[in-house]
Amino acid sequence: KAGVTQTPRYLIKTRGQQVTLSCSPISGHRSVSWYQQTPGQGLQFLFEYFSETQRNKGNFPGRFSGRQFSNSRSEMNVSTLELGDSALYLCASSRQGILFFGEGSRLTVL
Amino acid sequence: DQQVKQNSPSLSVQEGRISILNCDYTNSMFDYFLWYKKYPAEGPTFLISISSIKDKNEDGRFTVFLNKSAKHLSLHIVPSQPGDSAVYFCAASAFVGNNAGNMLTFGGGTRLMVKP
Repeated sequence: KAGVTQTPRYLIKTRGQQVTLSCSPISGHRSVSWYQQTPGQGLQFLFEYFSETQRNKGNFPGRFSGRQFSNSRSEMNVSTLELGDSALYLCASSRQGILFFGEGSRLTVL
Repeated sequence: DQQVKQNSPSLSVQEGRISILNCDYTNSMFDYFLWYKKYPAEGPTFLISISSIKDKNEDGRFTVFLNKSAKHLSLHIVPSQPGDSAVYFCAASAFVGNNAGNMLTFGGGTRLMVKP
């Protein structure tokens, strides 16, 4: 069974740009969550989608948004990038309360 | 307010000995706890979990203990192996309804180094 797949793995952007990250969950998993990992703040919850609906949202500004498609694939978007958005963005699909993470998308904002 | 805390940022253990990683939480609504292992440049990998109705769960070399009254859990790895060297995160969730979702609150992580 293929794991959670995230693309791109690495990307570099400049301040003010926007970025879209993609996530394909494990087949059969309908819940997709996004987390941000930074050295100072650890792993922080961004949002969760289930059946194309946002079910939970973390404490992030409106520049961070996401969506889920009918095939459960998900995207997250960050607009007007700031230096502090540099982080590892992790996607996870879940089953029975256990999250299974992808390898992450490493975003660097210059 | 950090609801899940791992107070030891790092731990060094000799190969073959026991590794004990600790985690404390403050939210009494948490009822499900998980441990994840993370290597650099990879996503966290699920290790083991425990429900609040239990106080111990074992899976091979890994055992998680839960002390609800102390709001404390620990992960024991016996025997420790060099390949166990990684960052370990504890995480917690609270059941708030059948369709409420799967939001985990993570601790800050403990870097385990197992020396050969």
